[in-house]
Amino acid sequence: GAGVSQSPSNKVTEKGKDVELRCDPISGHTALYWYRQSLGQGLEFLIYFQGNSAPDKSGLPSDRFSAERTGGSVSTLTIQRTQQEDSAVYLCASSLAGRPGGRDTQYFGPGTRLTVL
Amino acid sequence: QQQVKQSPQSLIVQKGGISIINCAYENTAFDYFPWYQQFPGKGPALLIAINPDVSEKKEGRFTISFNKSAKQFSLHIMDSQPGDSATYFCAASRSNQAGTALIFGKGTTLSVSS
Repeated sequence: GAGVSQSPSNKVTEKGKDVELRCDPISGHTALYWYRQSLGQGLEFLIYFQGNSAPDKSGLPSDRFSAERTGGSVSTLTIQRTQQEDSAVYLCASSLAGRPGGRDTQYFGPGTRLTVL
Repeated sequence: QQQVKQSPQSLIVQKGGISIINCAYENTAFDYFPWYQQFPGKGPALLIAINPDVSEKKEGRFTISFNKSAKQFSLHIMDSQPGDSATYFCAASRSNQAGTALIFGKGTTLSVSS
């Protein structure tokens, strides 16, 4: 079946503009994650959605970042008033999250490369 | 505070050699340790994972060694091939609830020369 898809694949924006990044998880996956990958910094957890529970927003770096997940499927990550330090690859992952102990494989999308000029 | 420390940052290995990447963690509550492989332009993909109940897990040419007392784990790639050239990330999580987010190391870029 289809994997995790993200759009756009590349986004170039000007400092101060708002951007929206989209993630379509694998059908049937109840857990969805957003990560940020900066050069040389590995993957940084941003936010996690699990079913209808309140999202875990503990990784969001500032209040300019927000995310929502509509209908338990598609998710949108919004960055307001973008700054140059927001430039990175934003990765989305999903997992079944049905197994006890949280040991579900996370399947990653190809990411959105954001460049803030 | 970096919870998962990974080394080396980059690694060059001859074809047929052994690639070794090391990770250390601080949080003793971590109980799930996967390794992800990422090729350029792609998202990471699960390679192999281990839990603290065992000291070693092998899948084909890939082996995870786990030392619970030292809070360290490592990935060994035997008979390294040019197709193994990628970035490797170790990760850890607390699995006391479903869907726990992973804490990743900073990654190791492996180049296997032919």
